[in-house]
Amino acid sequence: QQPVQSPQAVILREGEDAVINCSSSKALYSVHWYRQKHGEAPVFLMILLKGGEQKGHEKISASFNEKKQQSSLYLTASQLSYSGTYFCGTVYSGAGSYQLTFGKGTKLSVIP
Amino acid sequence: DAGVIQSPRHEVTEMGQEVTLRCKPISGHNSLFWYRQTMMRGLELLIYFNNNVPIDDSGMPEDRFSAKMPNASFSTLKIQPSEPRDSAVYFCASSGVFEQYFGPGTRLTVT
Repeated sequence: QQPVQSPQAVILREGEDAVINCSSSKALYSVHWYRQKHGEAPVFLMILLKGGEQKGHEKISASFNEKKQQSSLYLTASQLSYSGTYFCGTVYSGAGSYQLTFGKGTKLSVIP
Repeated sequence: DAGVIQSPRHEVTEMGQEVTLRCKPISGHNSLFWYRQTMMRGLELLIYFNNNVPIDDSGMPEDRFSAKMPNASFSTLKIQPSEPRDSAVYFCASSGVFEQYFGPGTRLTVT
């Protein structure tokens, strides 16, 4: 079953912040975040493992709430280069294999 | 490192023809994944290999699809016969530990 991402789309002006959420109905082992620009392949941003850590990459960070089976991606002071579709990919606890199930994506558009 | 290499980048074929997509994973990675991406269904996992062995092919849509990984540096995804509904972008990804690195994809159009 796919994780659910929200919002489906968001438009920001440069410098604004955004939060993208990813929720699962099944227990999660890990959450992965990817960004895909139009016509290109998805690019790995970060992974959050069971254990509740928060990670950061420049002005992009993420958290993982095990109790709620949710992850959130935070984009701070957005730049034009942040535009693209963001996907969360989940690995379920006890799945027995390390395969990702991707959400439908959140399209982020940053305008000047 | 050259990253994951896929060929061809674009393929246009007629319904009923055989299509073979190719992938060279990143050297040293022991897991390989084939995905299909469409507007309607998003990014779907078709099959994945670990150490050249198919682990889960439950995402392969039907018997017309087959995948092989004869060695650690090469994999193929074959569609025979192809149908218009197979039109999509097909990605190959490889992984060492956790993160997956995607190839540039093959855009398949079946007319």
